[in-house]
Amino acid sequence: GQQVMQIPQYQHVQEGEDFTTYCNSSTTLSNIQWYKQRPGGHPVFLIQLVKSGEVKKQKRLTFQFGEAKKNSSLHITATQTTDVGTYFCAGGARSRRALTFGSGTRLQVQP
Amino acid sequence: DAGVIQSPRHEVTEMGQEVTLRCKPISGHDYLFWYRQTMMRGLELLIYFNNNVPIDDSGMPEDRFSAKMPNASFSTLKIQPSEPRDSAVYFCASSFGTSGAYSYNEQFFGPGTRLTVL
Repeated sequence: GQQVMQIPQYQHVQEGEDFTTYCNSSTTLSNIQWYKQRPGGHPVFLIQLVKSGEVKKQKRLTFQFGEAKKNSSLHITATQTTDVGTYFCAGGARSRRALTFGSGTRLQVQP
Repeated sequence: DAGVIQSPRHEVTEMGQEVTLRCKPISGHDYLFWYRQTMMRGLELLIYFNNNVPIDDSGMPEDRFSAKMPNASFSTLKIQPSEPRDSAVYFCASSFGTSGAYSYNEQFFGPGTRLTVL
């Protein structure tokens, strides 16, 4: 079945440093979504990418979808303590009518 | 809009007992998803419904788990009998999608039910 892997599992940065998490799928995706889950909270939708090579920005966050539509990345510039949480990618595929969530990357930001 | 509502928020029960988790999706959403989250296995999709009909239950762990959606505004996830390994946070999520098509719209998650089976 489809598998979606994320690396790293955990990252600890100093406030102001950049952060990147990578998402890789075993199969070609039709779309990819990113979610953020604060400690003790629930996943909250951030963005969706659909097109090959697509790049989207939300303030300090940059999302990319690979040309082959099998990988994606989320980059945060100049992290802040409010960025703390776990970031999940979730891939959609025509072979399965639901998203497959990655394992998540937990981000800790040291003030 | 109140968002997705789940109850109870916390449940502590003893092994062998029946557990029922409840979910009210956002009004107008036609897809409903049940997820389970644990440290070891991450966020797993258990089952999802489209227009109250179960579409894919391949993630349901075993026959002890069952889910129903009797109408568009209510769904239940039942575990009978419960076991300690069922301890997890269970999330319900809903989304809006064209009926009969793939729903890849944003999923709205409820606050979750933290289940502890002793």
